[in-house]
Amino acid sequence: ELKVEQNPLFLSMQEGKNYTIYCNYSTTSDRLYWYRQDPGKSLESLFVLLSNGAVKQEGRLMASLDTKARLSTLHITAAVHDLSATYFCAVDFYNAGGTSYGKLTFGQGTILTVHP
Amino acid sequence: GAGVSQSPRYKVAKRGRDVALRCDSISGHVTLYWYRQTLGQGSEVLTYSQSDAQRDKSGRPSGRFSAERPERSVSTLKIQRTEQGDSAVYLCASSSPGADQGDEQFFGPGTRLTVL
Repeated sequence: ELKVEQNPLFLSMQEGKNYTIYCNYSTTSDRLYWYRQDPGKSLESLFVLLSNGAVKQEGRLMASLDTKARLSTLHITAAVHDLSATYFCAVDFYNAGGTSYGKLTFGQGTILTVHP
Repeated sequence: GAGVSQSPRYKVAKRGRDVALRCDSISGHVTLYWYRQTLGQGSEVLTYSQSDAQRDKSGRPSGRFSAERPERSVSTLKIQRTEQGDSAVYLCASSSPGADQGDEQFFGPGTRLTVL
């Protein structure tokens, strides 16, 4: 079964604090994407992770991928209010023949609220 | 350039009626996807098409959902005999297979469908 699980699903943070969102997935892939969604808006691409050990950073966000553990993390450093949004990870799974399904399987999303 | 656009942004339909949702993708993108986003269940792919051919009607329930591609950069998602459970946000995305970012998908703003 193609499954992607995020945790936590809800995250309330104080400004200035650090935290990590976890994304576990069920089977083979080395293509994982992180998206941000603001209320009423579309999905905005944050990071594209295409290999084991990939690490990407943008501002206060850093994403990493461990394909052996089937785990990606999104780390938030010194959170600010502007980071409040819903964050999704999505995986492009491969079939038994090693071919991508060509469609994304999404996690449930993590609703992040940063307060003073 | 212009991103992915969708219309209408909001749609209210009576149960049992058919609806059609439109997506205009990014010029030059080959693959168009339709996802359905609901609270608690996240986002799931409904259908996608590469070039002019529609492939894969995975998702639920098959048969009532179909996508047409009257032009290369236009897709129409058709939902027949709508049910209250079809109420959701329908997201369109497009990608280009030659992209460096692993077939990164770009999303439209979504159409919020409410079935009464």
